[in-house]
Amino acid sequence: AQSVSQHNHHVILSEAASLELGCNYSYGGTVNLFWYVQYPGQHLQLLLKYFSGDPLVKGIKGFEAEFIKSKFSFNLRKPSVQWSDTAEYFCAAIVLSGGSYIPTFGRGTSLIVHP
Amino acid sequence: EPEVTQTPSHQVTQMGQEVILRCVPISNHLYFYWYRQILGQKVEFLVSFYNNEISEKSEIFDDQFSVERPDGSNFTLKIRSTKLEDSAMYFCASSPGLQVLSSYEQYFGPGTRLTVT
Repeated sequence: AQSVSQHNHHVILSEAASLELGCNYSYGGTVNLFWYVQYPGQHLQLLLKYFSGDPLVKGIKGFEAEFIKSKFSFNLRKPSVQWSDTAEYFCAAIVLSGGSYIPTFGRGTSLIVHP
Repeated sequence: EPEVTQTPSHQVTQMGQEVILRCVPISNHLYFYWYRQILGQKVEFLVSFYNNEISEKSEIFDDQFSVERPDGSNFTLKIRSTKLEDSAMYFCASSPGLQVLSSYEQYFGPGTRLTVT
């Protein structure tokens, strides 16, 4: 069965530190990949997505992610985090086969940024 | 900007009771979804709904669950006889659902926290 793994469950950083959150998916074939963010008390919001083309994807708020097909990875990065980046981050994948467009979510990574 | 709304934000119920969670998807969207997230665990897909019928459902979505679109705006999730393990955050989502893949991008509501005691 398809799965999405986020290996970092809790990350604590100081402001201005660089961030990289890992995401791996477990199946071959064509996938579409997403990162969602959930700020405290708010709903899931799309940060960025990869469908095709340039494997380096730029998202909102200075985030980017790189799709590395050979590593089945889609890691999220930000060169300098801010206190306001404190949130829960979810990676998700859609496998383009069988006509299903239901995303599989990772467990989430809780990021705390200290001012 | 249009958004998905959910009510109530928090629902407390006793085991065995029925609950109805309500969602108002974005008005021109065609696909609707329910997900749940048990505390500390991953977001899990429950069901998707299109053209007034269930299009996909997961193993979690057993006979105690049902969904309905009773009018042109609401999308509800009913749990017939709640169990302690149903305690979770329930998220509704909608997507435009046109032929272009990017239209399957999902827009999430704020969630309803269900606590079963």
